[in-house]
Amino acid sequence: EDQVTQSPEALRLQEGESSSLNCSYTVSGLRGLFWYRQDPGKGPEFLFTLYSAGEEKEKERLKATLTKKESFLHITAPKPEDSATYLCAVQALGSSNTGKLIFGQGTTLQVKP
Amino acid sequence: DSGVTQTPKHLITATGQRVTLRCSPRSGDLSVYWYQQSLDQGLQFLIQYYNGEERAKGNILERFSAQQFPDLHSELNLSSLELGDSALYFCASSVAGRSQETQYFGPGTRLLVL
Repeated sequence: EDQVTQSPEALRLQEGESSSLNCSYTVSGLRGLFWYRQDPGKGPEFLFTLYSAGEEKEKERLKATLTKKESFLHITAPKPEDSATYLCAVQALGSSNTGKLIFGQGTTLQVKP
Repeated sequence: DSGVTQTPKHLITATGQRVTLRCSPRSGDLSVYWYQQSLDQGLQFLIQYYNGEERAKGNILERFSAQQFPDLHSELNLSSLELGDSALYFCASSVAGRSQETQYFGPGTRLLVL
């Protein structure tokens, strides 16, 4: 069964304290791995898509990396406005003709000033 | 703003009732997805439509149904509502509904069943 596990469930950082969020996945062939940011009561906001092991993408203080079994979202020198829940989702090989996303439970990040 | 719109934002109803949630995709997107987000289950895929046709089905209950109209907006119908159906319902859209495409999410409809 295709599965996505995110850790930690919650993370509290001081402003400027860099860290990483983990997304481990078990799928029958990865078509794509997606990172989203979700603020309370709002819809997920797209951040990155990664397609193959070794790929990296960056946006401001965020950098996403991908291996054959997991993805990391690195947050460098975070600011309070980076506080949100970060969601990881995958698309499996069997869903090549569809866009079905399988989501992890998310990591809730709190950055204190 | 993702360009995906959903109405209503909030819905409060009673058990046994029926409600309809509406979604308009981003301009140019032909595919619409529905997801349910509850505290214990996280975001779960319900169903996908492409250009009016059902393309994929997830763990959608038989009490739930959806359709996509010729103008590409979509409706999710929830009937015989139970307390456990209380959740956030999100609609997302993408260009052609295939894998590897970015899905853009709407702001959601918060459903509370009393």
